[in-house]
Amino acid sequence: DSGVTQTPKHLITATGQRVTLRCSPRSGDLSVYWYQQSLDQGLQFLIQYYNGEERAKGNILERFSAQQFPDLHSELNLSSLELGDSALYFCASSVGLRDGSGNTIYFGEGSWLTVV
Amino acid sequence: ELKVEQNPLFLSMQEGKNYTIYCNYSTTSDRLYWYRQDPGKSLESLFVLLSNGAVKQEGRLMASLDTKARLSTLHITAAVHDLSATYFCAVDTLVGSQGNLIFGKGTKLSVKP
Repeated sequence: DSGVTQTPKHLITATGQRVTLRCSPRSGDLSVYWYQQSLDQGLQFLIQYYNGEERAKGNILERFSAQQFPDLHSELNLSSLELGDSALYFCASSVGLRDGSGNTIYFGEGSWLTVV
Repeated sequence: ELKVEQNPLFLSMQEGKNYTIYCNYSTTSDRLYWYRQDPGKSLESLFVLLSNGAVKQEGRLMASLDTKARLSTLHITAAVHDLSATYFCAVDTLVGSQGNLIFGKGTKLSVKP
């Protein structure tokens, strides 16, 4: 158990709908990352937040958005869903600052999204 | 654009044998990660390598980093069935701070008795 909690674990929804994925980082971790894993694209970085602020952005579609709240949990919102959005969405967390010893990035169990 | 290439992508080996997985990356980075993933499961952190010449070992796995060659290796010693999984290397694109990890395609390892 990495300590990163994601809900829901599985989600089936229809095209055109909107879903929200939730993530609670490990205790003490300030950085939250979102990744998408699919068979054709592999593991892709979507976005990173550090202590409530967006820090880095990857291949995140305009239909997707995220935020990190004051209690450090994060939500990934996916809207106007398409069949191709079906994937495993991971949240990860880390301390966030370089401390010289190397910050491990811990991944949650993922949220399986199926768009039908 | 940073690219991360792993090889081989598929590896079938017998128990007791040794083998190496290679991870090449295309631009400067000061941080390289190795992860293990079982089917349908999360990514388990194995190693974080920070500097040139870094070597870390855990059980039958040993990882090394050559930043000049932009190459990391994951060496498996005397493989056992429990090591069967997909192994990913990932490179951090932000220098001096953590940020966007670019992952390789993964090496699917199957250890047969």
